[in-house]
Amino acid sequence: NAGVTQTPKFQVLKTGQSMTLQCAQDMNHEYMSWYRQDPGMGLRLIHYSVGAGITDQGEVPNGYNVSRSTTEDFPLRLLSAAPSQTSVYFCASSYSRSRGTGANVLTFGAGSRLTVL
Amino acid sequence: GENVEQHPSTLSVQEGDSAVIKCTYSDSASNYFPWYKQELGKGPQLIIDIRSNVGEKKDQRIAVTLNKTAKHFSLHITETQPEDSAVYFCAAIFPGGTSYGKLTFGQGTILTVHP
Repeated sequence: NAGVTQTPKFQVLKTGQSMTLQCAQDMNHEYMSWYRQDPGMGLRLIHYSVGAGITDQGEVPNGYNVSRSTTEDFPLRLLSAAPSQTSVYFCASSYSRSRGTGANVLTFGAGSRLTVL
Repeated sequence: GENVEQHPSTLSVQEGDSAVIKCTYSDSASNYFPWYKQELGKGPQLIIDIRSNVGEKKDQRIAVTLNKTAKHFSLHITETQPEDSAVYFCAAIFPGGTSYGKLTFGQGTILTVHP
């Protein structure tokens, strides 16, 4: 299994540009989420999904869109990039609550470093 | 609101010494407390976790303790080695509804182990 795969690993954007960060998992996990990591602020939840067709907002959703058309994929879209969105983005996945305690164990991707000029 | 505070932000120790990182959480209903280790250029990886019905859990050189009354939990690493150098994150899950699997993380601790 590849686990959680994120692309691209690095990206530089200009203010106002749009882009999509890709995330795919091959573990048949129902739950997927996006976090951003900033110095001194830990990991903050942007959006999450408990299954195909179901998404919800996390702590810092503004400026980001998500969709979940398949179990495997959970792309994160920046519609109009801003310098405040310069960060490292992590996608994570886990089993659903129906699997019991395994739902709490997140598997993270390697991250996507985004710079907005 | 849901909040997890982590201290210290940086920790420097000599090889062989012990390291302790402490986290406090805001909601007494929290029932699951994992610790993640993030090596340079990689995503965080779970190293140990504890549930609210347990006071301590050990796995070789690492241990986690939980004080529910004081609402804090700590990571203990004994006999530290240079490969323990990484960023460590504590987290808590706040129960209820769709929050299952939705973790709130602390700010992170950069641990450096000097040979």
